[in-house]
Amino acid sequence: KNQVEQSPQSLIILEGKNCTLQCNYTVSPFSNLRWYKQDTGRGPVSLTIMTFSENTKSNGRYTATLDADTKQSSLHITASQLSDSASYICVVRRADKLIFGTGTRLQVFP
Amino acid sequence: NAGVTQTPKFQVLKTGQSMTLQCAQDMNHNSMYWYRQDPGMGLRLIYYSASEGTTDKGEVPNGYNVSRLNKREFSLRLESAAPSQTSVYFCASSEQIRHRSYEQYFGPGTRLTVT
Repeated sequence: KNQVEQSPQSLIILEGKNCTLQCNYTVSPFSNLRWYKQDTGRGPVSLTIMTFSENTKSNGRYTATLDADTKQSSLHITASQLSDSASYICVVRRADKLIFGTGTRLQVFP
Repeated sequence: NAGVTQTPKFQVLKTGQSMTLQCAQDMNHNSMYWYRQDPGMGLRLIYYSASEGTTDKGEVPNGYNVSRLNKREFSLRLESAAPSQTSVYFCASSEQIRHRSYEQYFGPGTRLTVT
């Protein structure tokens, strides 16, 4: 079954700390993987898109990694800010469809 | 540019009532999508329109109909609302569904409650 699983479900960190969110997928065939940020009450906004040939991709303080062999991805947030409080959703493309994970809810406290 | 806009932002319906959710994009995108988001579940595709004049079922189409009114607008209709349709609905658009790395842009969502 084509699935995208994320961990942890929720995470609380202090401002300025780093954190890493995990994504495991069983989607096949795989076209690309993307990470979205969804603020409360808003629609998802894309952070990165990675194809199977890309191992690492950065967008400011966000760095995504991809291991297509083990079907794992991670999103690392450096020097967290209060504005990073949001849900982070891992999404895998299969053919013309996007398969969404359930997200990790990140809360950053001062 | 406003991007993707949705109306209304909130709606409460009684079981059996009907309503239409409106979506418009100003990015000249060819493809548009309707998703629903429920607690503990990933976004699920209801219907999509690869290009003006075409619509196709997604993962959870039962109980919904769509209309691609023109290139800008894509509406979602609930003919007879049921409590199971209580959800947050997102519209999205992208340049071309078959492009390898097409980016989807999402609207702000409509929170629908069916009592």
